[in-house]
Order: sequence, then C-alpha cells, then structure tokens
Amino acid sequence: DAGVIQSPRHEVTEMGQEVTLRCKPISGHDYLFWYRQTMMRGLELLIYFNNNVPIDDSGMPEDRFSAKMPNASFSTLKIQPSEPRDSAVYFCASSRTEYGYTFGSGTRLTVV
Amino acid sequence: AQKITQTQPGMFVQEKEAVTLDCTYDTSDPSYGLFWYKQPSSGEMIFLIYQGSYDQQNATEGRYSLNFQKARKSANLVISASQLGDSAMYFCAMRVRGTGKLIFGQGTTLQVKP
Repeated sequence: DAGVIQSPRHEVTEMGQEVTLRCKPISGHDYLFWYRQTMMRGLELLIYFNNNVPIDDSGMPEDRFSAKMPNASFSTLKIQPSEPRDSAVYFCASSRTEYGYTFGSGTRLTVV
Repeated sequence: AQKITQTQPGMFVQEKEAVTLDCTYDTSDPSYGLFWYKQPSSGEMIFLIYQGSYDQQNATEGRYSLNFQKARKSANLVISASQLGDSAMYFCAMRVRGTGKLIFGQGTTLQVKP
C-alpha cells in the first residue's frame, strides 16, 4: 500500500498563474478530502468527495478554486488565477471507514 | 455546529515524563468519532488514536491514551514516558458520523526537553 500520493511536493508559481495539485487516494477508499493548512487558519476542509461525487464544497474559498474527481483513483485541486494569499500546504486525505483518515505528504504552494 | 477546541498553543515536558494535551469538542450528534494526529516538523499527518462516542473504555495505543469524558465533552491525549521524538504539533479532530467530515482543532505544539 503506497499510501495517499500527492504531487507535486513543492510548487512555486507567480501570481495569476494556474496551479493544479494532484492526489491519488488509497485503493478502495471511497472518501477523498482536500485540506488547506496555514498558520493563521489552521487546517481547513476545502471539499470532500464520496464515491467520486462532491459532497460538501462549502470550504472552498472562492470561485478561483475548483476540484474534480474523475475516477476513484485520481483527484485534482485547481487554483486559477493564483494569488499570494493562496500560499499554504494543501493536504489530500482518503478514508474507507469511519475510523481514520490517511493523509498524503502535502503540497507546499508558494505564490509570489 | 461542530467545533473542536485546543486551548494550549504550546506545551513543554521533560523527557520520560507524562504529558496531557487538552481537547474539548462540541456537537449535538450522539454518534461521533474523536481522533488525535501528530504533525512533526517534516509536515506529515500521522494518525495516533481513535475514540468512538459509544466506546465504553478509553482508547489506548502504546504510549498514547485518550482520556474520554463524554459528559464534559473532553478527549484529552495522554502521552506517557515522553521521548524527544514526540516533539511535534498535535491535532485533535472530530468526525460526525454520516457526514464524512473531519474537523480539526488549532493544534498544540509539544516540546520535549532532554
């Protein structure tokens, strides 16, 4: 079991550019979550999917953010256009049961 | 609305001593799960321990135990025999059954002194 795989690990981009973060959940997990972590706001749930369907996107900050899960083994989080305040660590997590989530290693995004 | 509160931004403990990290939660749902995660300086989120709202006994995992007081809505993490490698940020989290959401507290930074 390779765990939850996120790419890239680090991303530095210029303001206004499009950024795409990727996540491969653990096989068999039917929930997928995107979190953002900043010093000021802590860990925020942005959106989560169940069986590839978005269930709750109330945490998505604004229309510049979008997330998709085209199949059970892949999800993307896109920011367009990116802004410096989007700089954060973005975590993807997956879960099959109620008893625990497995987190990816995170993507550290820096927008300059 | 569900909420997790960790009131200790930072804690110090001497190596080999025990330490308790506080967590209180708020929910009106009778069925929920409580989690603790560790985030070392390398950044990954490591699952430590789980407690279900209907579990009769406090959860334990090695040196970690969860002091679950349902009436007080608290779920404190106890780390026994602290080690230098325990220095990290610790997050308490709650999952409300049926929603899939896991919400986190603000975290507590623990530093273990040699």
